[in-house]
Amino acid sequence: DAMVIQNPRYQVTQFGKPVTLSCSQTLNHNVMYWYQQKSSQAPKLLFHYYDKDFNNEADTPDNFQSRRPNTSFCFLDIRSPGLGDAAMYLCATSTPLGLAREQFFGPGTRLTVL
Amino acid sequence: AQSVSQHNHHVILSEAASLELGCNYSYGGTVNLFWYVQYPGQHLQLLLKYFSGDPLVKGIKGFEAEFIKSKFSFNLRKPSVQWSDTAEYFCAVIQDSNYQLIWGAGTKLIIKP
Repeated sequence: DAMVIQNPRYQVTQFGKPVTLSCSQTLNHNVMYWYQQKSSQAPKLLFHYYDKDFNNEADTPDNFQSRRPNTSFCFLDIRSPGLGDAAMYLCATSTPLGLAREQFFGPGTRLTVL
Repeated sequence: AQSVSQHNHHVILSEAASLELGCNYSYGGTVNLFWYVQYPGQHLQLLLKYFSGDPLVKGIKGFEAEFIKSKFSFNLRKPSVQWSDTAEYFCAVIQDSNYQLIWGAGTKLIIKP
């Protein structure tokens, strides 16, 4: 089945220790997104790629970076995680064609910062 | 700025009660509309979506939603809820001019057995 896969599902890191979360997709979608979701809140968009074109949200901290080496993979790097970065990180994909820009979500990576 | 409003942050119902969760958006152009559900400890799942055509859309698990363009609304309904419907429900909108989902704040639904 075509899908969005995130690894790992659970990540524990120490305060200030860099961490990388990964996302892969078999949908061949042009657009990939990274969201941060905290408990009982809506997902907050961090950035998105349209192919290799990177789009950063204005309020995304510099501590968060992303890489998309090819269509299938996208990485979220948190350079110096703080306690406030503990959250669920969601990857999503969509196709920009027409108006049917439904986003397909992965299962998320739950990040714990000790 | 475009926005999506969900009127109730918390809803508590008894099993078999009818459900209606409100969602209004502020964008005047063409939109795609979505309801996502997040069960406790689980990831986001698409409940239903509206792109065009019949404004009454049916989703999974007996849910439906009606798009009323004149009211900028996309309310979610279910005639008889079950305990397993306990979850958080998010309304979201994509405008025709970009790729970003605009999210409502979510409604936490608790069904009492």
